Amino acid sequence: GAVVSQHPSWVICKSGTSVKIECRSLDFQATTMFWYRQFPKQSLMLMATSNEGSKATYEQGVEKDKFLINHASLTLSTLTVTSAHPEDSSFYICSARDGTTSTDTQYFGPGTRLTVL
Amino acid sequence: GQQVMQIPQYQHVQEGEDFTTYCNSSTTLSNIQWYKQRPGGHPVFLIQLVKSGEVKKQKRLTFQFGEAKKNSSLHITATQTTDVGTYFCAVSTNAGKSTFGDGTTLTVKP
Repeated sequence: GAVVSQHPSWVICKSGTSVKIECRSLDFQATTMFWYRQFPKQSLMLMATSNEGSKATYEQGVEKDKFLINHASLTLSTLTVTSAHPEDSSFYICSARDGTTSTDTQYFGPGTRLTVL
Repeated sequence: GQQVMQIPQYQHVQEGEDFTTYCNSSTTLSNIQWYKQRPGGHPVFLIQLVKSGEVKKQKRLTFQFGEAKKNSSLHITATQTTDVGTYFCAVSTNAGKSTFGDGTTLTVKP
């Protein structure tokens, strides 16, 4: 089955630093990847849609200059949380859509737990 | 965009009891997807329903899509401790984006 990996699985950083999270589709090409944020005991909130070779589309309320997304290849998307603050601490999950099929199935990565001190 | 309301928010059952979570919308849905997220884990795709009145089964799990395509349900027969987790319904758009319900967290007492 389709596998999506995320790295790192967890990260602790100081306030004001930047953190990069990688999302990779391991056995399929993902023309579209999605970045979600999930706070404890809450649902997944879509942050942005990442399309290979083009700019990401951000959801309302998500600062594009703070959450930089790059989708440089069909198997890799990165999310950089710039100048992180404690309120950015959350579980960040990416998902990828198999561009070779017509289904809407998204395959989720294992998530990255970010803690900003 | 399409939004879905999910109930109940929490459900505690004794092992062996049945469990059902419901997903409702005020608008007609193009599709409905169900995911399971174990504690500390990530969402795992279970199934997608697209047809009016569709019913699909996966072992002890039964998924239904309403005739009007405005609601869906996930029913687990004879729950086991391995069923614990949060079950989310989600709707995807033509752009492939998914809107998730708030989830139903199931706990099973052995």
